[in-house]
Amino acid sequence: AQSVTQPDIHITVSEGASLELRCNYSYGATPYLFWYVQSPGQGLQLLLKYFSGDTLVQGIKGFEAEFKRSQSSFNLRKPSVHWSDAAEYFCAVGARGSNYKLTFGKGTLLTVNP
Amino acid sequence: DTAVSQTPKYLVTQMGNDKSIKCEQNLGHDTMYWYKQDSKKFLKIMFSYNNKELIINETVPNRFSPKSPDKAHLNLHINSLELGDSAVYFCASSQEFPGPGVVGANVLTFGAGSRLTVL
Repeated sequence: AQSVTQPDIHITVSEGASLELRCNYSYGATPYLFWYVQSPGQGLQLLLKYFSGDTLVQGIKGFEAEFKRSQSSFNLRKPSVHWSDAAEYFCAVGARGSNYKLTFGKGTLLTVNP
Repeated sequence: DTAVSQTPKYLVTQMGNDKSIKCEQNLGHDTMYWYKQDSKKFLKIMFSYNNKELIINETVPNRFSPKSPDKAHLNLHINSLELGDSAVYFCASSQEFPGPGVVGANVLTFGAGSRLTVL
């Protein structure tokens, strides 16, 4: 079965600083990988996804993520964080061997200081 | 607005009661899901339906019974509510049932959630 680890429970950055949120997955074949963002009291919104092809994927709101098979990672990055980026971020993996259902990581809470 | 909508947004009830949460999507998607998010924000899939047919049924107590009257609706009924059922329940939908070559699969659109509190 697939699994996802987000090592950082809580990250605090200053507005304008760069950001990297870590995600490691466990799956025997090529996974489908996703990043979702959840603002307080809201549902989850898709930021970006990786299915195949170019390992650097661009998403909404200026986010990007890079799939590194050798490291089993799919880290999320943003060059300059805005206060509105404060939210909970979830990495997820979907895999063929489990009816393609998504398995989510436990999330990383991002706090942005002014 | 095209969306996934859930009702009610908040639900406070006593242990032992029976309650339902409703979900509707007007995105024309074929697949719908229920996810449970616990107090530590951990999201876990409960059920998945494709065109009214149950596809995924995780190890969820029998007290939870999903019902899909048509592919645009997926309701969740919970019997004999327990304290541990307190959580936020998210409905979601995706364009197609996940499968080989189905690129659009797994791109979920989520509702805003229904926060259930059992006292």
